[in-house]
Amino acid sequence: DTGVSQNPRHKITKRGQNVTFRCDPISEHNRLYWYRQTLGQGPEFLTYFQNEAQLEKSRLLSDRFSAERPKGSFSTLEIQRTEQGDSAMYLCASSSGPEAFFGQGTRLTVV
Amino acid sequence: AQTVTQSQPEMSVQEAETVTLSCTYDTSESDYYLFWYKQPPSRQMILVIRQEAYKQQNATENRFSVNFQKAAKSFSLKISDSQLGDAAMYFCAYREISKLGGSEKLVFGKGTKLTVNP
Repeated sequence: DTGVSQNPRHKITKRGQNVTFRCDPISEHNRLYWYRQTLGQGPEFLTYFQNEAQLEKSRLLSDRFSAERPKGSFSTLEIQRTEQGDSAMYLCASSSGPEAFFGQGTRLTVV
Repeated sequence: AQTVTQSQPEMSVQEAETVTLSCTYDTSESDYYLFWYKQPPSRQMILVIRQEAYKQQNATENRFSVNFQKAAKSFSLKISDSQLGDAAMYFCAYREISKLGGSEKLVFGKGTKLTVNP
């Protein structure tokens, strides 16, 4: 197991388009998190899954954002009708204990 | 909601010297976890060290150690014998657990950019 994997690494999209990111957590990690990080800031929590159940969504997550984790394995984060303010690094992390392990992130640029 | 404050946006250190990065947090809980993460430029977030609040002994990982002052809600990171590869953004994080819904998350500070000068 090579750790948390995120795809794509980079995504450039036009405003108004939909985008979907994928996260493959470390095997057997039942907890999965999505964070958003803008330049010069720390990561901000977006949503949390325990197995396939989405237990919390941040108020940062507008109606245009949706996340899933079917069968408690990989997770997808979809942003509909992207806006320039959505440009950021989207980080996925997984854990089975107190420590969370992060993927390399997907950098989204909305033009 | 818990908050984490890193008051040093940037720090620099000479190679082989020691540097301390500051972090304070706010919580009403008695048992919790604190972490320091390292994020090199354009690379992924890496866990450096963790501290369990109920343990009085400060955590140590090789050249990295913490000074955990629970009453003061302070959690500083000391890097000894600094190396060029230590240059990165360092984030302090608090593990927040929701008692109601069973959710959990990390609350991060804004980070400290560490430069290591040769």
